Amino acid sequence: AQSVSQHNHHVILSEAASLELGCNYSYGGTVNLFWYVQYPGQHLQLLLKYFSGDPLVKGIKGFEAEFIKSKFSFNLRKPSVQWSDTAEYFCAVKTGGGNKLTFGTGTQLKVEL
Amino acid sequence: DVKVTQSSRYLVKRTGEKVFLECVQDMDHENMFWYRQDPGLGLRLIYFSYDVKMKEKGDIPEGYSVSREKKERFSLILESASTNQTSMYLCASSLSGTGGASSYNEQFFGPGTRLTVL
Repeated sequence: AQSVSQHNHHVILSEAASLELGCNYSYGGTVNLFWYVQYPGQHLQLLLKYFSGDPLVKGIKGFEAEFIKSKFSFNLRKPSVQWSDTAEYFCAVKTGGGNKLTFGTGTQLKVEL
Repeated sequence: DVKVTQSSRYLVKRTGEKVFLECVQDMDHENMFWYRQDPGLGLRLIYFSYDVKMKEKGDIPEGYSVSREKKERFSLILESASTNQTSMYLCASSLSGTGGASSYNEQFFGPGTRLTVL
């Protein structure tokens, strides 16, 4: 069965610092990859997704992620974080033709002023 | 705007009680999902349904059952609640994907129900 690893469980950054959150998956076939975000007290929402084509995908709020097939990775990046980016971030993978997602364990990001 | 609603934001039940968690979506989505979210464990799929009266087990179905009598409603049932089922429960829905592995439709999540079993 596929699995998703997020190695950073808690990250604390100062405003304007650069962000990179790691995500690795274990599956050798075709994958679709996602980052979801959960702001405090809010619904889980989609940040960005990769289906095919350009491995560098851009999402909402200045986030981007790069799919590196050889490394089975889909890391999330943002050049300059804001206090409002404080949230929990989840990486997820879909394999094959089904509709199930497998989620990682999440990364709690705290951005300090 | 897709809307997924869950019947309660907070619920407190006693061990052994039968618990019903309800989820309703208003966008005619075929697929519906129940997850539980626990600190350090992320989201884990309990059950999902891809059509009315159809259900499939997810990764952690033990102790749970589901019901989907109408397309818009997906219920999660804890037959006899136990303390280890204290958790945040999230419902999600999506359209059915077509065309194989390259197609996908975003899962839309509800606000969650925080269940405490005493």
